[in-house]
Amino acid sequence: NAGVTQTPKFQVLKTGQSMTLQCAQDMNHEYMSWYRQDPGMGLRLIHYSVGAGITDQGEVPNGYNVSRSTTEDFPLRLLSAAPSQTSVYFCATGIGKLYNSPLHFGNGTRLTVT
Amino acid sequence: KNEVEQSPQNLTAQEGEFITINCSYSVGISALHWLQQHPGGGIVSLFMLSSGKKKHGRLIATINIQEKHSSLHITASHPRDSAVYICAVGNFGNEKLTFGTGTRLTIIP
Repeated sequence: NAGVTQTPKFQVLKTGQSMTLQCAQDMNHEYMSWYRQDPGMGLRLIHYSVGAGITDQGEVPNGYNVSRSTTEDFPLRLLSAAPSQTSVYFCATGIGKLYNSPLHFGNGTRLTVT
Repeated sequence: KNEVEQSPQNLTAQEGEFITINCSYSVGISALHWLQQHPGGGIVSLFMLSSGKKKHGRLIATINIQEKHSSLHITASHPRDSAVYICAVGNFGNEKLTFGTGTRLTIIP
């Protein structure tokens, strides 16, 4: 089992460019989520999904889109990158509700927007 | 929105010492998670608990629901325990976790 796979590990974008961060899991987890991690702040939820075809906004959704067409994949799209989106992004999955299942994290994507 | 406070922010200790990291939250929760993040970035789930106490190896997590407080203890600390420890809480009926800013632990040989 690969667990949770995030690609790419590093990315540099220019302001205004778009890109997709990939997250794939092979554990058949229903719950998938994207977080960003910034210095001095806790992880902040961007978007999440409780199953294929279902997505919802988190705490900081502006500038990002997601879709969940399959159980396995949950890509995060940056529509028009801004320097404020420079961050480390983590994908996390869970087998069920967050109150009764631990989270499994990918290794992160470090994004720099210049 | 739940507020999550961790203390201390930074902790340096000698190898072998007993370590305690604290997490307090403001609103009743459905579950509390303890996570570990090593330098280089990967995040690993250590515990998920909603009451009482859990133990895994040298790590022990406790939670006091009435006091809205949880502690993570490390016995016989080792340099490989050096990491950032993060507390996160989930609220009833809500799929969103609120994270603390983490405690950076450094164990000196």
